[in-house]
Amino acid sequence: KQEVTQIPAALSVPEGENLVLNCSFTDSAIYNLQWFRQDPGKGLTSLLLIQSSQREQTSGRLNASLDKSSGRSTLYIAASQPGDSATYLCAVRFGGTANSGYALNFGKGTSLLVTP
Amino acid sequence: ETGVTQSPTHLIKTRGQQVTLRCSSQSGHNTVSWYQQALGQGPQFIFQYYREEENGRGNFPPRFSGLQFPNYSSELNVNALELDDSALYLCASSRDTYGYTFGSGTRLTVV
Repeated sequence: KQEVTQIPAALSVPEGENLVLNCSFTDSAIYNLQWFRQDPGKGLTSLLLIQSSQREQTSGRLNASLDKSSGRSTLYIAASQPGDSATYLCAVRFGGTANSGYALNFGKGTSLLVTP
Repeated sequence: ETGVTQSPTHLIKTRGQQVTLRCSSQSGHNTVSWYQQALGQGPQFIFQYYREEENGRGNFPPRFSGLQFPNYSSELNVNALELDDSALYLCASSRDTYGYTFGSGTRLTVV
């Protein structure tokens, strides 16, 4: 069964800290991996998309890495701010090609709280 | 460019009723997919439409059905509502299934 797991489930850090969120997946044959942010009761905001041929993507204070062989991705947040408080979701498209699997398989998310 | 818009934002229905949720895709996107997110869980894939045809389906019963229109907008229909159908329903669009853009969701409560 293809599964996505996120650790930790919840994280609380003081403002200014650098932090790492983890995502693991059970099948190394993936098409791409996408990190999302979700504020309470809201929809999903895409943060970073990593294709299977890529090792990392960066946007501002965010950096996401991908290691297919070990089935892991990390989201690194530098210099965290209270506005970063949200749930962060990892989603994997399994299958090696664009047509072999369309569903995004989500983890349960990491709930992040950044305190002032 | 406009993003993905969903309507309504909130909805309360009675068990056994039917409901229709609507989604307008982001401009230039030809693929739309629907997800169900229960409280405290990650979204679960319901189905996907590409150029008006369903081309992928998750583990949901047939009472969950959908449509995609020529302008790439979409509907999700749920018949014979059950209490467990209470959730946030998310619509996502993409161009040729590349990266997905999500809407803000419809919160459905079944009583």
